[in-house]
Parts: sequence; C-alpha cells; structure tokens
Amino acid sequence: AQSVTQPDIHITVSEGASLELRCNYSYGATPYLFWYVQSPGQGLQLLLKYFSGDTLVQGIKGFEAEFKRSQSSFNLRKPSVHWSDAAEYFCAVGRGTGFQKLVFGTGTRLLVSP
Amino acid sequence: DVKVTQSSRYLVKRTGEKVFLECVQDMDHENMFWYRQDPGLGLRLIYFSYDVKMKEKGDIPEGYSVSREKKERFSLILESASTNQTSMYLCASSSRTGNADTQYFGPGTRLTVL
Repeated sequence: AQSVTQPDIHITVSEGASLELRCNYSYGATPYLFWYVQSPGQGLQLLLKYFSGDTLVQGIKGFEAEFKRSQSSFNLRKPSVHWSDAAEYFCAVGRGTGFQKLVFGTGTRLLVSP
Repeated sequence: DVKVTQSSRYLVKRTGEKVFLECVQDMDHENMFWYRQDPGLGLRLIYFSYDVKMKEKGDIPEGYSVSREKKERFSLILESASTNQTSMYLCASSSRTGNADTQYFGPGTRLTVL
C-alpha cells in the first residue's frame, strides 16, 4: 500500500538559516508527490508537486524539492527561512484515478527562532 | 482565487446526534473531498466525490456518509456522532483537467463530540 513517512515531528531553525524537511514514500510506480503547508488557523496550501521531468521542482514562497527515486525521497528545502515560514508541512503521494486520492504523511512542524 | 468555505469553524455536538458538515466551492470544480486531521496522524481521506451524486470511499469511511446534490456543495454526515469522531475536518476541491490537479482546502471545522 502507498504510504508517506515524515520522520521529523518538529524542527527548529534559526531565521535566515537553511531548511530541509524529509519525506520518504512507498509507491509501486512513478509517484505523484506533493508538499502542502498549513499555517496556524489556515487551510492547507500547495507548495509544489512532482510527477516527471526535472527531479528538482520549484514551488511558491522560495521552496524547492528534489525527487530521488533511489532513496524513495522527496525532501523539501529552502535556502533561507523567514519567521513567516513557521507552519506545519505535509508531504503526500497521489493514487487512484487522476492521482487525486492523496495519502498524507503525519506532518512536520517548523519552528523559527529569532 | 479559488474559495472553499465550510459552514462552521467550531462545532460542539452530543454523542448520538446526527451531524452535518457543509462545504461549498466557487470554482466549478468536479472533484470534492473530505479529510479528517488528527495530531500525529496527518490527514486521512474520508470520502471523495468526482461528480454530482457520485462518490467513492476513502481510507476511513466508517461512521460517515456524504451527499453531493449540487456541483458546488459537498456534505459530510455523521449519522450518530461518537466521541472518537472529535477531530478537525477539512474539505477540498479540485478540477479534473488532468492528473493530480491541485486540491484547494477550506479552513476546516473543529468538531467536538461530548
């Protein structure tokens, strides 16, 4: 069965430092992969998605993610974190018709220290 | 901008009550979804609708039903609410123009069942 693992429950990063959030997936074929962000009191917003092509995907708000098939990973990165990036981040894999049925990871909460 | 609205941000119900959660989207999307979000479990898909009057079970449909009589509205029904259904419920919608179209989420309804 498809699954997504986000091994880090919480991460604290200093403002201006770089960020990497880890995501590992289990899927039989080439996966559709997503990163969503949930800011406090807000609904989820798509940061970026990947299916094929260039394994480095650019998203909104300066985020990028790299697909590595050999490691079954899709890690999210940002070179310089801003205080407004403090939120919960979810990785997901799509399956089913149109790859619309998403399986989410358990999320990583990002804290940004001054 | 896509807008997905949910009828209530907070709801408190008694065990055994019938509960309706309403979701409306204004972008003429074919697909609509209901998820529940619990700490440490991420988001889990309850039901998915790909057209009016059409529905498909997600990963945790037990204890829930859905109704989609109009394209813009998708209702989640708890026939007899139980305390283990206390959770945050998120609605989402997406178009069906291709694969893995972006899902747009509402702000969520936090349901407490006493």
